[in-house]
Amino acid sequence: DAGVIQSPRHEVTEMGQEVTLRCKPISGHNSLFWYRQTMMRGLELLIYFNNNVPIDDSGMPEDRFSAKMPNASFSTLKIQPSEPRDSAVYFCASSPRLAGGNPYNEQFFGPGTRLTVL
Amino acid sequence: GNSVTQMEGPVTLSEEAFLTINCTYTATGYPSLFWYVQYPGEGLQLLLKATKADDKGSNKGFEATYRKETTSFHLEKGSVQVSDSAVYFCALTGYGNNRLAFGKGNQVVVIP
Repeated sequence: DAGVIQSPRHEVTEMGQEVTLRCKPISGHNSLFWYRQTMMRGLELLIYFNNNVPIDDSGMPEDRFSAKMPNASFSTLKIQPSEPRDSAVYFCASSPRLAGGNPYNEQFFGPGTRLTVL
Repeated sequence: GNSVTQMEGPVTLSEEAFLTINCTYTATGYPSLFWYVQYPGEGLQLLLKATKADDKGSNKGFEATYRKETTSFHLEKGSVQVSDSAVYFCALTGYGNNRLAFGKGNQVVVIP
């Protein structure tokens, strides 16, 4: 089975440019998570969706960041305009529907997009 | 709210040495506890889990026991290999949801 797919794997852009990161979750999973990882701040949850609906976006740093999930198989994270401090590795993860009697579900991570903003 | 604390700093040790990484947590109710591992250039992957007190999770020679009395979930391996070099994250989730709270992670370097 294909895992979580992210594109691009690497992105280098200049300050002020728009950046769009893409994620395809595992088929059948109904929760999707966007994380950012830096040396200074570690792994941060930016936003997560259940059934394509944003549930908690309190981790989104500011209005320059936006995320969408137009359908169950695709999500985007957009940064406009980008700044050097946005340089990080961005991970997408998905997890399946919580089933009756199962108190948790594992999150499956994509390989990440390494973003460098010059 | 839920939170996880991992010991500070990287861990460097020789092959076949004993590894311990400490993890303590703060949570309400009955959280589930996890260790995730991140190999260089890859995303995180689940290493082991425990869903109730006194459960022991184990995988690939790693073990961790869910200790409610000390709110801990320390990771151990009796004899590490060079291939165990990675970053290890402790995490928890509240009952009935799948949002994870992660610790800051520990870089483990195993020297031949």
